[in-house]
Amino acid sequence: SQQGEEDPQALSIQEGENATMNCSYKTSINNLQWYRQNSGRGLVHLILIRSNEREKHSGRLRVTLDTSKKSSSLLITASRAADTASYFCATAHTGGFKTIFGAGTRLFVKA
Amino acid sequence: DTEVTQTPKHLVMGMTNKKSLKCEQHMGHRAMYWYKQKAKKPPELMFVYSYEKLSINESVPSRFSPECPNSSLLNLHLHALQPEDSALYLCASSLPRTGESYEQYFGPGTRLTVT
Repeated sequence: SQQGEEDPQALSIQEGENATMNCSYKTSINNLQWYRQNSGRGLVHLILIRSNEREKHSGRLRVTLDTSKKSSSLLITASRAADTASYFCATAHTGGFKTIFGAGTRLFVKA
Repeated sequence: DTEVTQTPKHLVMGMTNKKSLKCEQHMGHRAMYWYKQKAKKPPELMFVYSYEKLSINESVPSRFSPECPNSSLLNLHLHALQPEDSALYLCASSLPRTGESYEQYFGPGTRLTVT
């Protein structure tokens, strides 16, 4: 089974609202990353949080990590229509190369 | 240059054909990856090369044959594929470091259809 499970599977919000996505994983990690994928295209790296960090910010993005619960959340504030995409968490194993992606959350932001 | 390029963008091939996918990066990354992604699913790791050596093969069928001729290029040779191999094939690269992963830079993918 996949390392990362995400919820919700799909999220539809109005422009200007906040969007929160959650990710859970099963084994110990060095870090957790979030990626965005626009429909049918390559993934874009958003943010990386290390296992000794609890929270990290980048622009309108806020990521939290709870290693005791093996979970992470991604918050996008003041969402825009351009944020419409699929969002994946990813964890790495086997010396950092074996990357496993969560199931993903499909976000739709209505203008 | 933070770009990973992939060619072709689209590929339609029959089950008896032989074709190759190509990936190129000029960021000096020494780790390169192939992923397979089916519709509405996450990318699944296929192969990882580190310093031009195959580091990880995720039990991929032998009809997929990777090759890393130099530090900038990654190929995926395809032969005798099945219709279920139709998917988006993504290439990525990153700085290599054992024990910790770095962010990966992805190409736009090759949309493969096997008829």
